[in-house]
Amino acid sequence: GIQVEQSPPDLILQEGANSTLRCNFSDSVNNLQWFHQNPWGQLINLFYIPSGTKQNGRLSATTVATERYSLLYISSSQTTDSGVYFCAVGRMNRDDKIIFGKGTRLHILP
Amino acid sequence: GAGVSQSPSNKVTEKGKDVELRCDPISGHTALYWYRQSLGQGLEFLIYFQGNSAPDKSGLPSDRFSAERTGGSVSTLTIQRTQQEDSAVYLCASSLAISRVTGDVRQYFGPGTRLTVL
Repeated sequence: GIQVEQSPPDLILQEGANSTLRCNFSDSVNNLQWFHQNPWGQLINLFYIPSGTKQNGRLSATTVATERYSLLYISSSQTTDSGVYFCAVGRMNRDDKIIFGKGTRLHILP
Repeated sequence: GAGVSQSPSNKVTEKGKDVELRCDPISGHTALYWYRQSLGQGLEFLIYFQGNSAPDKSGLPSDRFSAERTGGSVSTLTIQRTQQEDSAVYLCASSLAISRVTGDVRQYFGPGTRLTVL
């Protein structure tokens, strides 16, 4: 099955800093999503981005499908950005399941 | 609109007992997924249902785990003869479609059921 690797595993930043989270995957995919899990455990869908670039406020994501990676950018970090960020991939045209990476744990200090 | 709901939110049980966890997906969503998350870990795929097709059960860790989806809507995950290693948060997600050709494949998660096996 597809392997998903996220880096870095942990990241501690000061409020206002920018960050880049990376997701590498081992096979071609046509479904890639980024999620944020808040400190209370709720998973929120941030982006559906199997290719290209999207932006939503201070967050943006880029997926380069041919090179099998995706990046999540967080600018001007706020303490509410703390939590775990997961990348999830799937090959939906083949009715394959969606597999999650182990996540990047982000801690924003006030 | 209503999101994915799960019940109970917390379940404490004794080793060896059976438990049932329920998931109500977003109305109209044809795909439903179950995942398990141990403390501080990532999400482990368990099973997914897509429309009327046979479910993909490849992630179920043992034959003590089973799941069904009735009428293409509500799903129940059953764990028989629970063990302490079954303790985790069980997460359910649904999506409108399973193929992006046919529609929105974004997953929407419920709040989870925290299972503690004593």
